[in-house]
Amino acid sequence: EAQVTQNPRYLITVTGKKLTVTCSQNMNHEYMSWYRQDPGLGLRQIYYSMNVEVTDKGDVPEGYKVSRKEKRNFPLILESPSPNQTSLYFCASSLSGVRVRETQYFGPGTRLLVL
Amino acid sequence: SQKIEQNSEALNIQEGKTATLTCNYTNYSPAYLQWYRQDPGRGPVFLLLIRENEKEKRKERLKVTFDTTLKQSLFHITASQPADSATYLCALGNDGGGGNKLTFGTGTQLKVEL
Repeated sequence: EAQVTQNPRYLITVTGKKLTVTCSQNMNHEYMSWYRQDPGLGLRQIYYSMNVEVTDKGDVPEGYKVSRKEKRNFPLILESPSPNQTSLYFCASSLSGVRVRETQYFGPGTRLLVL
Repeated sequence: SQKIEQNSEALNIQEGKTATLTCNYTNYSPAYLQWYRQDPGRGPVFLLLIRENEKEKRKERLKVTFDTTLKQSLFHITASQPADSATYLCALGNDGGGGNKLTFGTGTQLKVEL
């Protein structure tokens, strides 16, 4: 089944404790992206990657890191989480690495609480 | 700055009626616009894409219009059903030039009542 998977689905952590949220897709998509969703603010893009070893900042990249060593995986790293990073996070992928007019397929989401 | 506006108030309609959702934007010249459906606690699911040179797109009971002069898209669900109840997001995008991303609106919640 074609899908985007994220792990963990739920995470409670404390301020400053490094964490990684994994994202994997099995559709051989070139483009992958991370979003956060907050009430009243909608989906905001954190980082995106047009292909392996190519990443770029979205609208809200502060406090986050990403890497794209393999085509299928795009982990999101919070080196020192803070309470304002409490949010619902979505990973997404699409076929093209150049144009994002194609459909984006979203993962199930990771709900993060930083105490 | 770029701004995308969707009705923040929930839209309640009766089963069988046509639901119409709006997406307005300012300070933006998108090459295309997408509509997604999102159920509580789940990721958005793609519904329709319309390009700047297209006026209207249809898919089954769904219809999207795109007016670049008014800077507005309308999303219609005809013969609505309770199963159509969800939040609907519009997203705008550009091609190339560093614009390889979608910018989302905050969504409109639709409730279809029996």
